[in-house]
Amino acid sequence: ELKVEQNPLFLSMQEGKNYTIYCNYSTTSDRLYWYRQDPGKSLESLFVLLSNGAVKQEGRLMASLDTKARLSTLHITAAVHDLSATYFCAVGTYKYIFGTGTRLKVLA
Amino acid sequence: EAQVTQNPRYLITVTGKKLTVTCSQNMNHEYMSWYRQDPGLGLRQIYYSMNVEVTDKGDVPEGYKVSRKEKRNFPLILESPSPNQTSLYFCASWDGYGYTFGSGTRLTVV
Repeated sequence: ELKVEQNPLFLSMQEGKNYTIYCNYSTTSDRLYWYRQDPGKSLESLFVLLSNGAVKQEGRLMASLDTKARLSTLHITAAVHDLSATYFCAVGTYKYIFGTGTRLKVLA
Repeated sequence: EAQVTQNPRYLITVTGKKLTVTCSQNMNHEYMSWYRQDPGLGLRQIYYSMNVEVTDKGDVPEGYKVSRKEKRNFPLILESPSPNQTSLYFCASWDGYGYTFGSGTRLTVV
């Protein structure tokens, strides 16, 4: 059974600081996705990582995928308050398995 | 504009009263799914569909039905809702690279 674990579950950080969210999964997968969710809202696609070594960046967020280690990271650079949200990773194809989510709070 | 449209956004109903949550996509995608989101349990797949008239169970299908009579529509049916089906529901449409999610339906069963 495929399991997807994220850590940390909660993250409170100061503006301007850097941090990394980790996503580990238990079985082989070449695809990994990152989503953002604001409270009470839908899921917004951030990154689609399709191969080992894939790295994508958008603004202050950068995601990478190591399929051999079954690990993806979402790195936040110089956090700003607008990045406060819950971040999910997901693995698979049309049968996504989601990670537990990381609730990020950026303090001014 | 490419989108996944769910209705209603909010619904309060009573135990046992049949209800349908509608979902429509305008992207001509073959794959569609339903997920529910619960605090502490995350997002779990209820059902998915690979094309018209082809559906399969996800991880938590009990108490739900779906149908796929047209490619664009994928309704979620609760024949006899119970309080443990109180949740936030998302419909999603797959383009081969990832899912696009609808805006969600917050269902409360009392």
